[in-house]
Amino acid sequence: KNEVEQSPQNLTAQEGEFITINCSYSVGISALHWLQQHPGGGIVSLFMLSSGKKKHGRLIATINIQEKHSSLHITASHPRDSAVYICAVKETSGSRLTFGEGTQLTVNP
Amino acid sequence: DAGVIQSPRHEVTEMGQEVTLRCKPISGHDYLFWYRQTMMRGLELLIYFNNNVPIDDSGMPEDRFSAKMPNASFSTLKIQPSEPRDSAVYFCASSRTGVSYGYTFGSGTRLTVV
Repeated sequence: KNEVEQSPQNLTAQEGEFITINCSYSVGISALHWLQQHPGGGIVSLFMLSSGKKKHGRLIATINIQEKHSSLHITASHPRDSAVYICAVKETSGSRLTFGEGTQLTVNP
Repeated sequence: DAGVIQSPRHEVTEMGQEVTLRCKPISGHDYLFWYRQTMMRGLELLIYFNNNVPIDDSGMPEDRFSAKMPNASFSTLKIQPSEPRDSAVYFCASSRTGVSYGYTFGSGTRLTVV
């Protein structure tokens, strides 16, 4: 069993739909990251969370430390949101990140 | 700041050759990470440094891989000799001490060993 699991692995949506990507982890963490990787490969850090909720534009990230679960929401999705979204956790012991396998999101116009 | 700078962006080399990947972290960041991404295994940590000192190299595949950080503004990842299975995208990232600081990734080096 992976330490970080994401669901779904693939997600196709129509433009304008509300999207949720989930991340569950099994280790103690000091922070959780949501990353975005576009075709062409660059990785961008979207959020870093240690508790509660963060919002940036149409993106919202939440984390429940007790349940070891985080969600990334995209409101009013757009084709330019098409990318791979990766959840990564920073364990309480050390500074390494452990990554989920990623969720491939495709938003059709 | 220009962000984390990696070079080269693409590298094609023949099996058996030495390959050197380079990374310049963001000024003031005291952590530097080398990651490898493949279709089969996703993103994996190879090694990370804190204040130029290697802290965890347990992800380095084998003795053919070595990494150095001679100063706070430069790191190298060397593969010698290279093999086709080393083909991957190698990312460098940097961060600063403190849980409130995130990670900044470089654009990656796409390595192809033929």
